[in-house]
This record gives sequence, C-alpha cells and structure tokens, in this order.
Amino acid sequence: DIQMTQSPSALSASVGDRVTITCRASQTIDKYLNWYQQRPGKAPKVLIYGAFSLQSGVPSRFTGAKSGTDFTLTISSLQPEDFATYYCQQSYNVPYTFGQGTKLDIK
Amino acid sequence: MLLQESGPGLVKPSETLSLTCFVSGGSLGSSSYYWAWIRQPPGEGLEWIGNLYHGGHTYYKPSLKSRVTMSVDTSKNQFSLNVTSVTAADTAVYYCARVSRLPSRGDVADSWGQGTLVTVSS
Repeated sequence: DIQMTQSPSALSASVGDRVTITCRASQTIDKYLNWYQQRPGKAPKVLIYGAFSLQSGVPSRFTGAKSGTDFTLTISSLQPEDFATYYCQQSYNVPYTFGQGTKLDIK
Repeated sequence: MLLQESGPGLVKPSETLSLTCFVSGGSLGSSSYYWAWIRQPPGEGLEWIGNLYHGGHTYYKPSLKSRVTMSVDTSKNQFSLNVTSVTAADTAVYYCARVSRLPSRGDVADSWGQGTLVTVSS
C-alpha cells in the first residue's frame, strides 16, 4: 500500500494567518492527490483534487501544490470556518489511502 | 446528489454488519463515477474499504477482502456493505461516497453520506 505521511499532525493558528500542510507519498503518485476538510461530526468534504484543482464552491484561499512526492495544501488567510481536520488521499493505486490528518485549531 | 446510510448502530461480535446507502438525485448506473465505502474509527483517521463499479465489479482492500461484500440494487437506487465476523476493531463511523473519475486528475470522493456509527459490542 502507498503510505501517505502528513505534517504537522496538529497546528495552532490565528484568523488571517497563512498556513501550509504537507503530505508526502511513499512512492510516486503522479498528481493523483486529493485534499479533504472534515469538521467535527461531519463527513469529509473535498477541497482540492488532482493536486492542484479547486473543487467547485471552495474558496480560492485554498491552493494545492506538488514537488516530486511532496504535496502541500495552503490556506492563504485563515477564516473561522477553516478550523477543522485536513486529510490528504492518493488515488494513484488501490487501496486508496489517506494521510493521518492534520488538526488545525485556533491559537 | 444526496447519499444516506442506514443500518443497525449496534452489532454483536462475530456477527455481520450490514449497511445500505440510498442515493437520491442521480443514477447508480453511470460510468463517470463509482461508489465506495470508507470508515473512520472514533477519534481516528479514514480507511478506504472498497469500491463498487459500474456493472457490479468490486474492489476490496486486501486486509478486509475475506470479510467484505458490496453489492448494488439499481431498482432501489441503493448499494450495500456487508462485513462478516466483526470485532471491536470494526467499530467506526461508516461513510458511503460517490467517487468521480476525472481525466488526468484521478478519482475523487466528491459526494458523501453523513455517516453512520456502528458499534461492535455484546
């Protein structure tokens, strides 16, 4: 199975901050990497697919990038509704696998 | 498109967990997407259980393959998950999801049910 390693596991930040979450794949996954946001008690919601593409309806402050097997999710200016847990997921090979998650909370 | 899981919230050890996902606002029979089950133990991360493709073909995560079955009932616009011989390790929120195939961008779970908690306990 392809291992997805996210960092950091937890992050404290303030409204208006710029934050970046990293996800590293254990092997090449081309650009088949998705990012999800999960609020407490809710289902995950896709933010970015194919490493770079913004899902319809998602604010433009969310951006995805790729460098080799390293992927990043950047939130340019945190809003109160962005405090949640974020997961990366590869769709290069089955079984699809997720990172362990990054919990973003208010400083 | 809306997805809604249903099924027992409590299952005894060694018995079978059975869940159904009802799909409204769309068809189960498109080749542009397929269906998946994903689970999340309380306080933990997400685990992809398997896929149900157009035509009824399936893929199951190898570590669960011997215990998992997925099927579709197009007449009722729903698909289902069975997990046999459950243990406490199968306690989780179970999500059904639609997975869209996006040319040159991969597959993405772009529509999810709200999830249903299944607890395995005697």
